[in-house]
Amino acid sequence: EAGVVQSPRYKIIEKKQPVAFWCNPISGHNTLYWYRQNLGQGPELLIRYENEEAVDDSQLPKDRFSAERLKGVDSTLKIQPAELGDSAVYLCASSFPRQGRYEQYFGPGTRLTVT
Amino acid sequence: EDKVVQSPLSLVVHEGDTVTLNCSYEVTNFRSLLWYKQEKKAPTFLFMLTSSGIEKKSGRLSSILDKKELFSILNITATQTGDSAVYLCAATYNNNDMRFGAGTRLTVKP
Repeated sequence: EAGVVQSPRYKIIEKKQPVAFWCNPISGHNTLYWYRQNLGQGPELLIRYENEEAVDDSQLPKDRFSAERLKGVDSTLKIQPAELGDSAVYLCASSFPRQGRYEQYFGPGTRLTVT
Repeated sequence: EDKVVQSPLSLVVHEGDTVTLNCSYEVTNFRSLLWYKQEKKAPTFLFMLTSSGIEKKSGRLSSILDKKELFSILNITATQTGDSAVYLCAATYNNNDMRFGAGTRLTVKP
């Protein structure tokens, strides 16, 4: 079974430039998450999708961040314009909650460096 | 405010040592406690705990949950250099919400 796929793996951009990340979840997983992980910290949720609906985007900085999951499968996360403080690893995860099980499976992440 | 706190933040041991990692949580409508191992980038799933006092075991790793005292521990016996990683715990709560701790960075020296 293929895992969660993310691209690109690394991205270096100058501040004020736009950037986009792509995620393809595990087949059949209807829940998709985007996390940001700063150095030395645990992942922090940015947005959670149930199928194509964003059910929790309370931590997404909506002035510059946007996300979509149009067909309820793969998803993109965009930052425009990027700021120096956006440098982090952006992780995508997916899950298929059933019978009370909520374990999430993570992709390899995208390391973003904003200069 | 919902929070998950891990301790210690970092730990250095030698091969063969036994380590205990701690995770305490305060969340609304707790559902489960998960442990992940993070090497390089993607966290990989280790355990999910939902009931108090029932030990989950996988090889040299084991974990237990105390829902009364709101904490969990992860034990690793006979540590190996390959155990070096960041160990994350996360609490799931409400309707599929999840909050991670900051992680414990374990370094196992030969």
